[in-house]
Amino acid sequence: EDKVVQSPLSLVVHEGDTVTLNCSYEVTNFRSLLWYKQEKKAPTFLFMLTSSGIEKKSGRLSSILDKKELFSILNITATQTGDSAIYLCAVDNYGQNFVFGPGTRLSVLP
Amino acid sequence: DAGVIQSPRHEVTEMGQEVTLRCKPISGHDYLFWYRQTMMRGLELLIYFNNNVPIDDSGMPEDRFSAKMPNASFSTLKIQPSEPRDSAVYFCASSFGGGGNQPQHFGDGTRLSIL
Repeated sequence: EDKVVQSPLSLVVHEGDTVTLNCSYEVTNFRSLLWYKQEKKAPTFLFMLTSSGIEKKSGRLSSILDKKELFSILNITATQTGDSAIYLCAVDNYGQNFVFGPGTRLSVLP
Repeated sequence: DAGVIQSPRHEVTEMGQEVTLRCKPISGHDYLFWYRQTMMRGLELLIYFNNNVPIDDSGMPEDRFSAKMPNASFSTLKIQPSEPRDSAVYFCASSFGGGGNQPQHFGDGTRLSIL
């Protein structure tokens, strides 16, 4: 059965800290891994990763994929209170469907 | 550009009633997805369409749930009869190209409460 596991499930840090969120997966036909940020409403797209070892970066956020070990990490440096959200990892098993992880709830305290 | 538009934003109804959720995908997108999100189960894919045709409905919980996409700009998710355990936020998302080729763009969701 396809599955996506995220850790930690919940994380509380202070502004300025650096955090690393983890996503591991088991799917039959991997095509891509996506990271989403969900605040109060709908998930919003952050990154899509298809190749191992190539870092995607957007401001203070970065992500990398390891297709051999079947995991991805999402790093956030110099966290701000606006980074507080649920971060979702999803894996596409070649168009069969999307499998979402349970999410990591990040709380950044001032 | 208009994003994915869902209606209603909130729905409160009594169990046994029929509920219809609506979605207008982004123009030009050929994939449409319906998700359900709860605290207990997280985000679950219910069904998705490609070019208005249902491709995979294995996530639909039971026969009380049905989804249609009569044209490229409109889809409905219907629950009949509704039950309290159907209470959740229902998201519609669309993309151009299937799966992970392009990211999915989500609507703001419909918060459904079945009393």
